[in-house]
Amino acid sequence: SQTIHQWPATLVQPVGSPLSLECTVEGTSNPNLYWYRQAAGRGLQLLFYSVGIGQISSEVPQNLSASRPQDRQFILSSKKLLLSDSGFYLCAWSVGVGLKYEQYFGPGTRLTVT
Amino acid sequence: AQSVTQLDSHVSVSEGTPVLLRCNYSSSYSPSLFWYVQHPNKGLQLLLKYTSAATLVKGINGFEAEFKKSETSFHLTKPSAHMSDAAEYFCVVSSMNYGGSQGNLIFGKGTKLSVKP
Repeated sequence: SQTIHQWPATLVQPVGSPLSLECTVEGTSNPNLYWYRQAAGRGLQLLFYSVGIGQISSEVPQNLSASRPQDRQFILSSKKLLLSDSGFYLCAWSVGVGLKYEQYFGPGTRLTVT
Repeated sequence: AQSVTQLDSHVSVSEGTPVLLRCNYSSSYSPSLFWYVQHPNKGLQLLLKYTSAATLVKGINGFEAEFKKSETSFHLTKPSAHMSDAAEYFCVVSSMNYGGSQGNLIFGKGTKLSVKP
C-alpha cells in the first residue's frame, strides 16, 4: 500500500532563517506531487505541483520554492522566512493527471515563524 | 471557471442525530467532486468521490453524498453522528485547467462539524 511521510511534524523558525520541508511517498511510482499551505481562516492554497523529476509548477508567486530531486521526494524550501509563511503545510500525491484522480495527503508540518 | 461553495462555516449537531453539510459547485463541464475530512492538526482524509458514475456515493465511516446536477449540489450526509465525527470537512472540485494541469483540486473553505453529547 502507499504511504506518504512529511517531516518535521512541527517547526519554529525565526524570521529570515532558511526552511526545508521534506515529503516522501512510498509504494507507487511517478506520482504527481503537491504542496499546499493552510493558513488560519484562508482554506487550502496550492503552492506547487510536480508531474515528474525536476518538473515544478508554481501556483502563487512567493517566498517559497520547491524541488523534486527524486521520483518520490518533494522538498519545499525558503532562503529567508517571513512571518506570513506561518501555517500548516501539506504534501499530497495522486496516481495520475486527470479529473478523476483523488489526492492523498500527508500528516502535515506546522510551521511557526517568530 | 470552477468553484465550490460550502454554505455553512460551522454546523453543530447532537450525537445520534443526522448530519448535513452543504456544498454547491460551479463548473463548465462534468466535474469530479470529493469530500475530505480533517481532524485537528492532521492531514486530509478522503471520505468519498464522485466521478460521473452513480449519483449517490457512499464513503467511509457511514457518510454519503448525492450529486444533483440540476441543483449543482453535492451535500454530505450521515444518518447518525458520532463524537468522533467532530472535524473540519472540505468539499472539493477537480479542475480542468487550473494552473495548466488537469486534476488540480479546488477546495471549499471548509465546514467545522461539532458533535454535542
